[in-house]
Amino acid sequence: SQELEQSPQSLIVQEGKNLTINCTSSKTLYGLYWYKQKYGEGLIFLMMLQKGGEEKSHEKITAKLDEKKQQSSLHITASQPSHAGIYLCGADSNAGKSTFGDGTTLTVKP
Amino acid sequence: DAGITQSPRHKVTETGTPVTLRCHQTENHRYMYWYRQDPGHGLRLIHYSYGVKDTDKGEVSDGYSVSRSKTEDFLLTLESATSSQTSVYFCAISETRDHSPLHFGNGTRLTVT
Repeated sequence: SQELEQSPQSLIVQEGKNLTINCTSSKTLYGLYWYKQKYGEGLIFLMMLQKGGEEKSHEKITAKLDEKKQQSSLHITASQPSHAGIYLCGADSNAGKSTFGDGTTLTVKP
Repeated sequence: DAGITQSPRHKVTETGTPVTLRCHQTENHRYMYWYRQDPGHGLRLIHYSYGVKDTDKGEVSDGYSVSRSKTEDFLLTLESATSSQTSVYFCAISETRDHSPLHFGNGTRLTVT
């Protein structure tokens, strides 16, 4: 089965700093998703990547999928307190299912 | 936001009692999923549905059953609740089987005493 490993597990940054979260797969990724979760709430879909080398941005968040389609990174520029939460990567696996990384907890200190 | 409503949002129940959680969607998506989220285990798939009356097991299906009699509703039943089923349960929907993101409800926090 496909496994997704996220790093780091947690991250504390000062407001205004840049940061990167990584997601590494044990198998080739055919669909990679990034989600954000705030405490007590469900996951919110951020971005989907499918093609090797693909890069997408939304506001100050950029996600990339490497050429070999086994690693994705999520980069936040000039972090703000509103960026705090848990970031999870997910991937298409067997029919109708998805697998998830364990998440990266981001704290942004004002 | 995707129209997904989970009920109840919180529930406390005793060991051995049956419990049913409800997920209701207004998006007319074919695929619906139940996950549980636990510290140290992340999100794990319990059951999923690919249409009315079409369901299948996920990786942690023991002790759970599901039903989908209408496109918009997906029910998760704990047949006889155990303390190990204390968790946060999330319902999710997707438009297609692959290459489409999941949209999640806000979760049900279940405590089994």
